[in-house]
Amino acid sequence: NAGVTQTPKFRILKIGQSMTLQCTQDMNHNYMYWYRQDPGMGLKLIYYSVGAGITDKGEVPNGYNVSRSTTEDFPLRLELAAPSQTSVYFCASSYTGGREKLFFGSGTQLSVL
Amino acid sequence: GESVGLHLPTLSVQEGDNSIINCAYSNSASDYFIWYKQESGKGPQFIIDIRSNMDKRQGQRVTVLLNKTVKHLSLQIAATQPGDSAVYFCAETLFGNEKLTFGTGTRLTIIP
Repeated sequence: NAGVTQTPKFRILKIGQSMTLQCTQDMNHNYMYWYRQDPGMGLKLIYYSVGAGITDKGEVPNGYNVSRSTTEDFPLRLELAAPSQTSVYFCASSYTGGREKLFFGSGTQLSVL
Repeated sequence: GESVGLHLPTLSVQEGDNSIINCAYSNSASDYFIWYKQESGKGPQFIIDIRSNMDKRQGQRVTVLLNKTVKHLSLQIAATQPGDSAVYFCAETLFGNEKLTFGTGTRLTIIP
């Protein structure tokens, strides 16, 4: 099993550009999450999904959008990139939600200049 | 708002010694706690978890202690090795909540 796969690993955007961070998992997990991690900080939840077709906001959803059309995929969309969105983004998944361990991807390092 | 925090942002320990990483939580309703290890350039990796009906749980070289009276969580790593160098995060949640709240992390450095 590949686990949780994120692409790309690195990306540089100009202010105002858009991009989609891809996340896919092959563990048939119901729950998927997007976190951002700023330098020297903990993880902050952006969006999460409890199953295909269902998404909800986390702590810091502004400037992002998500969709969950399949169990496997949970892409994160940045519509108008801003310098404040410079961060490392992690996707995670679990079978039954926040009361069990999450499996994390290796992250996407995004710089907005 | 409710938050999870750590007492020490950095910790240096001699190889072979035991490490103790501390975490304070403020939500007394939290009933599930989890520790993650994050190595440089990688995503967090599960270490150990504990539910609020327990005071202590042991894994391989790791022990988590939960003190609900003072809302304190600790991670003990026995006989630390160079591979233990990483940032360690605690996280909490409560029944009915599908989201974990993460602390800011402690960087553990093992001195050869």
